[in-house]
Amino acid sequence: GQNIDQPTEMTATEGAIVQINCTYQTSGFNGLFWYQQHAGEAPTFLSYNVLDGLEEKGRFSSFLSRSKGYSYLLLKELQMKDSASYLCAVNSGYSTLTFGKGTMLLVSP
Amino acid sequence: DGGITQSPKYLFRKEGQNVTLSCEQNLNHDAMYWYRQDPGQGLRLIYYSQIVNDFQKGDIAEGYSVSREKKESFPLTVTSAQKNPTAFYLCASRLDRGPEKLFFGSGTQLSVL
Repeated sequence: GQNIDQPTEMTATEGAIVQINCTYQTSGFNGLFWYQQHAGEAPTFLSYNVLDGLEEKGRFSSFLSRSKGYSYLLLKELQMKDSASYLCAVNSGYSTLTFGKGTMLLVSP
Repeated sequence: DGGITQSPKYLFRKEGQNVTLSCEQNLNHDAMYWYRQDPGQGLRLIYYSQIVNDFQKGDIAEGYSVSREKKESFPLTVTSAQKNPTAFYLCASRLDRGPEKLFFGSGTQLSVL
């Protein structure tokens, strides 16, 4: 089966750094995605990792360790608008993505 | 502008009624998907289609039906057999199989009267 785990909720302060972890156990692996979703809106793509290591994109970075079944999303210089749900998704087969339940991030002033 | 359009934004269903959610994309994507999202939950796959006139069941297909008569369109019907249809429904598409990212529509919130 497929199992993707993320913390349910995290809180952080504006200007700080936060790391959102994701662990996965899937029957196959063909890449891992991170999406951001504001309440009642569509998820938007943040990052993609298929090889081990760190991918940096502005204030957002994502890390992958395939041997550990582990990824994290790092958000720097937090802003109020970063308050959202962050979804980890694994491409375990070749056609579909399996999503975790998402991590709700609350950024306070 | 290219994108995915879902309609309506809000939909109400009466007991025993079938309702259809629309999804249209002008991105020339091959694959299209329907996901269901419940409060505090992740996205669960209902149906997907990789090519016109072909589609596959996802993890929670019972009580739903789809068609893919045109590349641009992938409507989802929520039938009366779906006993708990209240949820946020998201349509998505991507260029082809493999590492291509999903593009999402803005969603339809379905509620039962």
